[in-house]
Amino acid sequence: NAGVMQNPRHLVRRRGQEARLRCSPMKGHSHVYWYRQLPEEGLKFMVYLQKENIIDESGMPKERFSAEFPKEGPSILRIQQVVRGDSAAYFCASSPRGSDEKLFFGSGTQLSVL
Amino acid sequence: DQQVKQNSPSLSVQEGRISILNCDYTNSMFDYFLWYKKYPAEGPTFLISISSIKDKNEDGRFTVFLNKSAKHLSLHIVPSQPGDSAVYFCAARKTSGTYKYIFGTGTRLKVLA
Repeated sequence: NAGVMQNPRHLVRRRGQEARLRCSPMKGHSHVYWYRQLPEEGLKFMVYLQKENIIDESGMPKERFSAEFPKEGPSILRIQQVVRGDSAAYFCASSPRGSDEKLFFGSGTQLSVL
Repeated sequence: DQQVKQNSPSLSVQEGRISILNCDYTNSMFDYFLWYKKYPAEGPTFLISISSIKDKNEDGRFTVFLNKSAKHLSLHIVPSQPGDSAVYFCAARKTSGTYKYIFGTGTRLKVLA
């Protein structure tokens, strides 16, 4: 399967723990986007990364959230000290180039904070 | 600050009839638009796109119309099929800057057999 791979599919954390969400883009794609979907809401842009660079993080909460896309390995969205309000579906998308016309999405990670 | 709006959270249509999903945007700098379909527990999948240099794009049963002066686009599905039942998102971006897509809140389409 050459699609965008996200893992885990489901992640349960207790308040105060850390959550790490992984995204492997499609082969040949060097641009990664993270979106969050809260219950009954749309997809909210969080961050746009290229390999080793954060291009746009205007949608990231200022605290507790960080993202990286290293030269080797998947992109990681990290949420420290999770709170119940972080419970959501987190989607990763990739494209070959930033100027490409469409994004290819993974199946998402459903984060539940107890 | 919701720059892309889908004001109808849900829509029910009889099988075989036309489904019309609407999307409005506020940023006049947006010049590329897409529609995505999303089934439960899956990621969004691309349906159709349109550039601001066009006012219509067609792909099989799906047609997207763009009215730049009204900052409005619509997705027409005809004939509608039960398998089209899903949540539909429109998205917009500028072809300058950081190329991030802004998504609407989605419309849940239910096609009744």
